[in-house]
Amino acid sequence: EIVLTQSPGTLSLSPGERATLSCRASQSVSSRFLAWYQQKPGQAPRLLIYGASSRATGIPDRFSGSGSGTDFTLTISRLEPEDFAVYYCQQYGSSSPYTFGQGTVLEIK
Amino acid sequence: QVQLHQWGAGLLKPSETLSLTCTVSGGSFIGYYWSWIRQPPGKGPEWIGEISHGGSTDYNPSLSSRVTISVDTSKNQFSLKMSSVTAADTAVYFCARTPPGRFCSGIDCYRARRDFDSWGRGTLVTVSS
Repeated sequence: EIVLTQSPGTLSLSPGERATLSCRASQSVSSRFLAWYQQKPGQAPRLLIYGASSRATGIPDRFSGSGSGTDFTLTISRLEPEDFAVYYCQQYGSSSPYTFGQGTVLEIK
Repeated sequence: QVQLHQWGAGLLKPSETLSLTCTVSGGSFIGYYWSWIRQPPGKGPEWIGEISHGGSTDYNPSLSSRVTISVDTSKNQFSLKMSSVTAADTAVYFCARTPPGRFCSGIDCYRARRDFDSWGRGTLVTVSS
């Protein structure tokens, strides 16, 4: 099973700042099958990025994804108050079930 | 806009069977893949399994011996049954959708999407004696 490790565990930033979240896989992952989600308390996860870099429908362009192989990044260019939440990466591998990272908490500094 | 409405029992005793159903409205059921995902309190999500509209299933190996996912296309519904639950199965359970599409490399073709673009609101299932 491919394990996804997200860092940092908690990121404290102010509105207007740039956020960089990391997701590292225990083995190489197809970029086609790497996604990012945002989750707020009491809500379901919301798809932000799929295929490592494609924004989902309705997602603002301040959210961007990049990476390949074992290292992937979610960048939020200018934080808005509504962006403070928990973020998860997720992958699918041909010989592995879908797996999620443990999450990065993005909190207001 | 597609909506996933889920329901089922929220409190179970150890050894009982968890049963949840998800109804899809406002969008096509055909062509998509439908998953169950759970999230223990304070942890990341865990994929349980998926089913196609045609009834093809795939399960997380860690849960496959206890899980059955079924589909009723006449009602745009899919369901989850998990047997012999324990306290470790306490979690919020979500139903979710994976978009269709395929890509081909040479003579081999594969599903193009393996992410979850729509989710139900979640059902808290607590297992306690």
